[in-house]
Amino acid sequence: DGGITQSPKYLFRKEGQNVTLSCEQNLNHDAMYWYRQDPGQGLRLIYYSQIVNDFQKGDIAEGYSVSREKKESFPLTVTSAQKNPTAFYLCASSDARVGTEAFFGQGTRLTVV
Amino acid sequence: DQQVKQNSPSLSVQEGRISILICDYTNSMFDYFLWYKKYPAEGPTFLISISSIKDKNEDGRFTVFLNKSAKHLSLHIVPSQPGDSAVYFCAASSMNRDDKIIFGKGTRLHILP
Repeated sequence: DGGITQSPKYLFRKEGQNVTLSCEQNLNHDAMYWYRQDPGQGLRLIYYSQIVNDFQKGDIAEGYSVSREKKESFPLTVTSAQKNPTAFYLCASSDARVGTEAFFGQGTRLTVV
Repeated sequence: DQQVKQNSPSLSVQEGRISILICDYTNSMFDYFLWYKKYPAEGPTFLISISSIKDKNEDGRFTVFLNKSAKHLSLHIVPSQPGDSAVYFCAASSMNRDDKIIFGKGTRLHILP
């Protein structure tokens, strides 16, 4: 079964701790993305990667970090520098060719207490 | 600066009638547009897309119209069904190598019985 998997579905962390969200895809897609969803804000781009070992900041990258050591994996670390980390995080992947849609994971709900 | 705008946060439509969701964009470099549907606590799923060389694309009950001169697109759902109740996101990307996908804030569609 081809798809994109995010884990865990729910995550609770104490304030001040770093936390890493997992995203794995077996679709052989070059491009991967991390979005954050807040009520009334839609999907805002945190980071994206068009190829292994390369990634670019999105609109709200502050307080986050990523790595792309393998084509199938694009983990997102929410650092203690992120002022308001509680949100729903969505990972997506797409074929880097123009004119293809992104496929999304089921999301991770992060709650910082 | 929002490049993809969905100015209607919510829309209510009677079952069986036509639902029309609208989206405006500001970046003239965008040449590929997508609509996604999203249920609560799930990842968005792809609905339909259109490239800038077309002005209409139809898939079953869903039709997307693109007006390039007005930088405006719309999604028509007819007839509307209860399962169509969800949040709909408009997204856009451009043809260059750095073609990140930008999303609007979404429109919540309620189908009334």
